Amino acid sequence: NAGVTQTPKFQVLKTGQSMTLQCAQDMNHEYMSWYRQDPGMGLRLIHYSVGAGITDQGEVPNGYNVSRSTTEDFPLRLLSAAPSQTSVYFCASRDRGSTEAFFGQGTRLTVV
Amino acid sequence: TQLLEQSPQFLSIQEGENLTVYCNSSSVFSSLQWYRQEPGEGPVLLVTVVTGGEVKKLKRLTFQFGDARKDSSLHITAAQPGDTGLYLCAGLALNAGNMLTFGGGTRLMVKP
Repeated sequence: NAGVTQTPKFQVLKTGQSMTLQCAQDMNHEYMSWYRQDPGMGLRLIHYSVGAGITDQGEVPNGYNVSRSTTEDFPLRLLSAAPSQTSVYFCASRDRGSTEAFFGQGTRLTVV
Repeated sequence: TQLLEQSPQFLSIQEGENLTVYCNSSSVFSSLQWYRQEPGEGPVLLVTVVTGGEVKKLKRLTFQFGDARKDSSLHITAAQPGDTGLYLCAGLALNAGNMLTFGGGTRLMVKP
């Protein structure tokens, strides 16, 4: 059972480039979310989804897009990367009836 | 402004010492969770507290939920180097699709 899988693990982008961070879960969880983690700030919610075809903005959504065409996948798109988006990104999933979130191993993104 | 405030932000202690980490909010939560995160990994759930005044023990870790369900604490007895890591409290935010909102984290280092 793979759980939550994120790719890539590391990425360096130039300012203005776009890219997609991939997230897949094999637990049939309805809820999925993306967080960014910066030093001293814990995890901040970027976007989330409560089911296929449904997405919504979290605390820090600007500069990011998401889509949820299947239950398993929840990609995060950076439209035009900025140095302020340098961070570690975590994808999480959980079952609708549970409070426990399962996290991927993270993607460390550097924008130069 | 974070909904959940953790203190202290950093803690460096010697093996065998006791410590307490606090998680405070002005909001009421239906439950609070504590996660532990190791370098290069995503957070992993330690415990969920649900009832005001509830105390849960996990070996040398004791978790308490405040009577008013606005705060929680994590106490570690006789800390070991293996306890080193980032400790995060989290609660479900009703204004964010019932997704988890996190405190800023407490980075603990236990020296042998």
